[in-house]
Amino acid sequence: AQSVTQLDSHVSVSEGTPVLLRCNYSSSYSPSLFWYVQHPNKGLQLLLKYTSAATLVKGINGFEAEFKKSETSFHLTKPSAHMSDAAEYFCATNSNSGYALNFGKGTSLLVTP
Amino acid sequence: EPEVTQTPSHQVTQMGQEVILRCVPISNHLYFYWYRQILGQKVEFLVSFYNNEISEKSEIFDDQFSVERPDGSNFTLKIRSTKLEDSAMYFCASSAERGENEQYFGPGTRLTVT
Repeated sequence: AQSVTQLDSHVSVSEGTPVLLRCNYSSSYSPSLFWYVQHPNKGLQLLLKYTSAATLVKGINGFEAEFKKSETSFHLTKPSAHMSDAAEYFCATNSNSGYALNFGKGTSLLVTP
Repeated sequence: EPEVTQTPSHQVTQMGQEVILRCVPISNHLYFYWYRQILGQKVEFLVSFYNNEISEKSEIFDDQFSVERPDGSNFTLKIRSTKLEDSAMYFCASSAERGENEQYFGPGTRLTVT
């Protein structure tokens, strides 16, 4: 079954420093991979997706992620954190059927001044 | 920008009662989904719905759950006899296609079963 593992439950960075949120995937074939963000009391918003095109994917708000097959990873990065980036981030992959999304447990990003 | 809406934002119910959670998906989308997130746990898939029938469901989606698209705009999740462990945030989502196409999520309904 397709699955993802988020390696950190909490990440804390200072404003203006780089962000790295880690996600590993498990898949028997080339997966589709997604990063979603959830701000308090809001729904899940898609940041970016990988669907077997370019391995470096650019998303909204300056985020990007790189698909590395050799490492089975899809880490989310941003060069410079902003206070508004503080939120919960979820990595996800599609199920074998293509209907469901299988989510990781989430990483809570804290940005300090 | 079109968005998925859900009502109510918070529902409190007593154990054994029936609840209906409502969602209005994005209007030109064809695939509809329900997910839930128990506090402190991951977001879990419940069910997907396409062409007026369930296309996939998880083990969580047992006989106490049902989904319906009663008209051209609403998509509902019914829990027939709620249990304490049904307390969770329930998210509705919709997509234009399945698979690699992104799913758009609503803000969620927090269900509290007492």
